[in-house]
Amino acid sequence: AQSVAQPEDQVNVAEGNPLTVKCTYSVSGNPYLFWYVQYPNRGLQFLLKYITGDNLVKGSYGFEAEFNKSQTSFHLKKPSALVSDSALYFCAVRVLSGYALNFGKGTSLLVTP
Amino acid sequence: SQTIHQWPATLVQPVGSPLSLECTVEGTSNPNLYWYRQAAGRGLQLLFYSVGIGQISSEVPQNLSASRPQDRQFILSSKKLLLSDSGFYLCAWSVGRVRTSNQPQHFGDGTRLSIL
Repeated sequence: AQSVAQPEDQVNVAEGNPLTVKCTYSVSGNPYLFWYVQYPNRGLQFLLKYITGDNLVKGSYGFEAEFNKSQTSFHLKKPSALVSDSALYFCAVRVLSGYALNFGKGTSLLVTP
Repeated sequence: SQTIHQWPATLVQPVGSPLSLECTVEGTSNPNLYWYRQAAGRGLQLLFYSVGIGQISSEVPQNLSASRPQDRQFILSSKKLLLSDSGFYLCAWSVGRVRTSNQPQHFGDGTRLSIL
């Protein structure tokens, strides 16, 4: 069964430092991978996706993610964190034959001034 | 551009009362529509999805039902709410063939439902 795991419940980063939010996946077949961000009492906002091609994917708000097939990972990164990046981040996967997204449990990112 | 609207934003209902949550999408035709429930601010569970008018697929057995009376309208209902129905309900849309599309899902701002 296709699934994603986000091993960290919370990530703390100082403003201006690089940030990484981890995601690993387990699928049979080629995965479609997505990152979303959720602010309090709001819906999920799409950040970026990996379908095929270049392993480094660039998305909204300066975020990027690196797809690593050998490590089955799709970590979210940003070179310089902002306080406004503090939010809940979700990784999601869908296999070609799937009809829904399987979401990870989410990682809470806290960026301190 | 496409937009998605959910209402109400918050709802407090007594146990045993009926429920109707509405979701509408603008700016696109024949979208795939989804209802998710998010518990305790974390994991999302897919409840229903729809690929067209009157076509509803249920993912989990539960006290809820969904309907799609119009192309861009998706309704989540219950005849009698349970305490366990409390949660944050999110509607989403996507385009493309639901089983093969690589397009992302786009979410509304949700309805926070509290059952007393």
